[in-house]
Amino acid sequence: AQTVTQSQPEMSVQEAETVTLSCTYDTSESDYYLFWYKQPPSRQMILVIRQEAYKQQNATENRFSVNFQKAAKSFSLKISDSQLGDAAMYFCAYRRAQGGSEKLVFGKGMKLTVNP
Amino acid sequence: KAGVTQTPRYLIKTRGQQVTLSCSPISGHRSVSWYQQTPGQGLQFLFEYFSETQRNKGNFPGRFSGRQFSNSRSEMNVSTLELGDSALYLCASSLSPGQGVYIQYFGAGTRLSVL
Repeated sequence: AQTVTQSQPEMSVQEAETVTLSCTYDTSESDYYLFWYKQPPSRQMILVIRQEAYKQQNATENRFSVNFQKAAKSFSLKISDSQLGDAAMYFCAYRRAQGGSEKLVFGKGMKLTVNP
Repeated sequence: KAGVTQTPRYLIKTRGQQVTLSCSPISGHRSVSWYQQTPGQGLQFLFEYFSETQRNKGNFPGRFSGRQFSNSRSEMNVSTLELGDSALYLCASSLSPGQGVYIQYFGAGTRLSVL
């Protein structure tokens, strides 16, 4: 079974600075997808960024980028120029590429605080 | 385009009762998944549906069940409620299951409190 681990339950960052959220996962499969979701106090999970395991290039979405290390099974999220609106719970998630399932396996989450 | 709609937003029940939660996916989405979110266990997969068929089920007791209708709307039911069923129940929809990186869009959830 696949597992996702987020070892830091909480982090804080000053507005306009950069922060990196860590995530490791365990799987025996070679093809899969990884995601970072954000959950603000409104409770709605919002996709921040996704990475396909077969792609060596790290995904980027504006101020968000990932450092995907397949051999180390590591998938960290870097937020640049942090904004107050980035404050939320962040979840790392894994999904199999084979099998036709949408099932996401989530980490426990990390609470990010952005200080003005 | 309207997002994923979950109703009701909040629900209070007592032990032993049953409850039904509803999820309307984004228009055109045919795959619906359900998750339970608690402070202790985090986000756990309940089940997923496509074309009115349950494709996958998580490790939950038989008290948890669901279904999907021909218009892709989905309901989940919990019978004989226990205190431990108190949680945020999230629904997610996507175009089609497991094909490429179809994004799953989440609703705002139903907060269930069991007293």
